[in-house]
Amino acid sequence: GEDVEQSLFLSVREGDSSVINCTYTDSSSTYLYWYKQEPGAGLQLLTYIFSNMDMKQDQRLTVLLNKKDKHLSLRIADTQTGDSAIYFCAESRLADSWGKLQFGAGTQVVVTP
Amino acid sequence: KAGVTQTPRYLIKTRGQQVTLSCSPISGHRSVSWYQQTPGQGLQFLFEYFSETQRNKGNFPGRFSGRQFSNSRSEMNVSTLELGDSALYLCASALSDTEAFFGQGTRLTVV
Repeated sequence: GEDVEQSLFLSVREGDSSVINCTYTDSSSTYLYWYKQEPGAGLQLLTYIFSNMDMKQDQRLTVLLNKKDKHLSLRIADTQTGDSAIYFCAESRLADSWGKLQFGAGTQVVVTP
Repeated sequence: KAGVTQTPRYLIKTRGQQVTLSCSPISGHRSVSWYQQTPGQGLQFLFEYFSETQRNKGNFPGRFSGRQFSNSRSEMNVSTLELGDSALYLCASALSDTEAFFGQGTRLTVV
């Protein structure tokens, strides 16, 4: 099983906000990432946050990090049909090299009109 | 600026054969990592190369190997293919420890 956990499915109406949650277990995490994967495609880096930050905002995306609870969330404002995809939370750990990320199982987001 | 390029995009092989997958990182990136993605196991780290040296390795059998060339291009090889090796193989390149960019992947089917 993964050390990074995510809920598997989220349904949201177009125009509403989506919130995708993630929990991790390693307190030595340095960076936490959100990736998006559309069918048949690779992973697209959406945003990342350094572990000593609480929040990061990037256009429609807001990342919140609660380091005490090891909880990470991604909020997508004004969700569009093009946001339908699988979203992966990932962490890099102090003990590991740059390129080794631990991924969650992914949250499938379905946006309905 | 070109992204991470993986070739081929699709591949069908027979059990027992071997396969080589290629990854060209973003220009200037020296770190290349490989991941296996399957419906059952999700995304699993295979290995990472930096300046032609393997810097980290995941928990995969010795049939999985890789290398990196002086131009940072990387290849991974799987020998004696098994049905369970069918997966999407993803390559990522990184300039620093903040952002890893992924390619479109190679879909390997073992029959």
